[in-house]
Amino acid sequence: GENVEQHPSTLSVQEGDSAVIKCTYSDSASNYFPWYKQELGKGPQLIIDIRSNVGEKKDQRIAVTLNKTAKHFSLHITETQPEDSAVYFCAAILSGGYQKVTFGTGTKLQVIP
Amino acid sequence: EAQVTQNPRYLITVTGKKLTVTCSQNMNHEYMSWYRQDPGLGLRQIYYSMNVEVTDKGDVPEGYKVSRKEKRNFPLILESPSPNQTSLYFCASSLRKELAGELFFGEGSRLTVL
Repeated sequence: GENVEQHPSTLSVQEGDSAVIKCTYSDSASNYFPWYKQELGKGPQLIIDIRSNVGEKKDQRIAVTLNKTAKHFSLHITETQPEDSAVYFCAAILSGGYQKVTFGTGTKLQVIP
Repeated sequence: EAQVTQNPRYLITVTGKKLTVTCSQNMNHEYMSWYRQDPGLGLRQIYYSMNVEVTDKGDVPEGYKVSRKEKRNFPLILESPSPNQTSLYFCASSLRKELAGELFFGEGSRLTVL
């Protein structure tokens, strides 16, 4: 089955700096890669995603890149703000009749004002 | 407001006492799923349902049961809870199984089994 590794497990950045979270996946058949943000006491919320036919996608201060050859994808947050502090999860979805969702282990991001 | 509602949000129980965590969504979603979140392990899928009366095991189904008798509801049942089921549980839904990665999550249910 699919295995998703996520690094780092914790990340502290100064407000205004950039943050990068990286994930690798094992199954080359995975074709959809969402990122979720989990604020304290809340459920995860989908913030951005990328499909395997796209190399990069941006949405304001966040972007995701995908390298299919190396089987890794990354979340980039620029100009970080205190409200970006949260736990971030990557996921990989295996194509097929049932889309198996495998999550990474999460990254706790702290933005220091 | 579109939402996934879980109850209870917090529960402390004792080993062996059957409990049910309810989950309801108001978005007419076909696909629903339960996850548990544990430190260092991320989100692991317990059970999922592609539609009414269709359920299947996820990665960590042992000790849990589910049912999907109505489209909107997907309860998680712990017949005989044990301390290793102490965890944070999330119910999630998506429009259909082909969009299983685009999940809407509930607020979570924190369960402690003594």
